[in-house]
Amino acid sequence: QVRLQESGPGLVKPSETLSLTCTVSGGSISTYYWTWIRQPPGKGLEWIGYIYYTGSTYYNRSLESRVTMSVDPSKNQFSLKLSSVTAADTAVYYCARGRREYGSGNNWFDTWGQGNLVTVSS
Amino acid sequence: DIVMTQSPDSLAVSLGERATINCKSSQSVLHSSNNKNYLAWYQQKPGQPPKLLIYWASTREFGVPDRFSGSGSATDFTLTITSLQAEDVAVYYCQQYYSSPPTFGQGTKLEIK
Repeated sequence: QVRLQESGPGLVKPSETLSLTCTVSGGSISTYYWTWIRQPPGKGLEWIGYIYYTGSTYYNRSLESRVTMSVDPSKNQFSLKLSSVTAADTAVYYCARGRREYGSGNNWFDTWGQGNLVTVSS
Repeated sequence: DIVMTQSPDSLAVSLGERATINCKSSQSVLHSSNNKNYLAWYQQKPGQPPKLLIYWASTREFGVPDRFSGSGSATDFTLTITSLQAEDVAVYYCQQYYSSPPTFGQGTKLEIK
């Protein structure tokens, strides 16, 4: 059974860069679309983007200028960097496995990490 | 972006009764090439990540109890929970994956009456 686990600091200062890593265990990172989704406290879910195991990426246009994702298949890990953070970036950040069929559309998400609360504050 | 709107925002149902949650998309998520509705449902319990219940609008994920069912097409969808159990208390989200970015509804909070 595949498991995902986020790791990274829980507190980031305004204007700095948020960095998180997701470790995939119980399965290979090859295939699937490795995704970051965030949820501000008490609010809904926002898709940040995904990275394929080959390294190709697709980001939400609303965050594209500040987001960088990377993957390390040798470690079964993928990572998120979000630059120039503000208080509006305070959220629980989830990594998730995205699935798709038929080669069209985007993904649904069948496996999620437990989440990593990141607070942006000085 | 496709806007997903759920109704109601909250719902209280008696144990053993039926719960119905609606989801409406701002444009059709039915793909003409394969006649599939690009719509998923998730359950999120307090302090936990979302859990996938249904995809393709009506396909139950492996291990999800059969009291959960999804229906609908194009822009209007429904998640039905028959015979509500105490462990079904959660927030439920719909999500479209027809186009990028994938977007979620605002959530429906389900409680026991």
